[in-house]
Amino acid sequence: AQSVSQHNHHVILSEAASLELGCNYSYGGTVNLFWYVQYPGQHLQLLLKYFSGDPLVKGIKGFEAEFIKSKFSFNLRKPSVQWSDTAEYFCAVNGWSSASKIIFGSGTRLSIRP
Amino acid sequence: ETGVTQSPTHLIKTRGQQVTLRCSSQSGHNTVSWYQQALGQGPQFIFQYYREEENGRGNFPPRFSGLQFPNYSSELNVNALELDDSALYLCASSGPSGANTGELFFGEGSRLTVL
Repeated sequence: AQSVSQHNHHVILSEAASLELGCNYSYGGTVNLFWYVQYPGQHLQLLLKYFSGDPLVKGIKGFEAEFIKSKFSFNLRKPSVQWSDTAEYFCAVNGWSSASKIIFGSGTRLSIRP
Repeated sequence: ETGVTQSPTHLIKTRGQQVTLRCSSQSGHNTVSWYQQALGQGPQFIFQYYREEENGRGNFPPRFSGLQFPNYSSELNVNALELDDSALYLCASSGPSGANTGELFFGEGSRLTVL
């Protein structure tokens, strides 16, 4: 079955700490991978995406993610978080053969202590 | 601001009733997807419409139905409401190529409470 697993439900960090949020997926075939973010009181928005090519992708606000095909993983990283990074982060996947259906993980809530 | 607008923002219904949720997609987008997000969960794919035709469906029963209009706005209809239908319903538009690249532009959602 197609699925996305996010390992951490809630992560609490201090400002300037490094961040890594885990994401693993189960999906047969070629995939596109995404991280979406939802800031408090705002709508879901795309943070970054991987379609093909360089497995290290960079997104907005200093975020990056690495696609490791052998591990079916797409972890999100940021070297130094800010208080404004407080948000809910969702990993998502869709397959080239079923492009209409995007599957989301359950989300990781990130809280940054000022 | 994505340009995707949803209405109503909040509503309360009772079991067995029917509900219609509406969505106006971002200008130039011809594809609309609907998601259900229960509390503490990620969005779950309900279905997608492309050029007024259903173009993919998730694991939701037939009492969840939709429409897309020539102006690409969309409706989600849920019949015979159940308590478990209480959730945030998200509309997302994409396009205009018709090939879904997965980059979705979400509205703020309609929060449905079923009593």
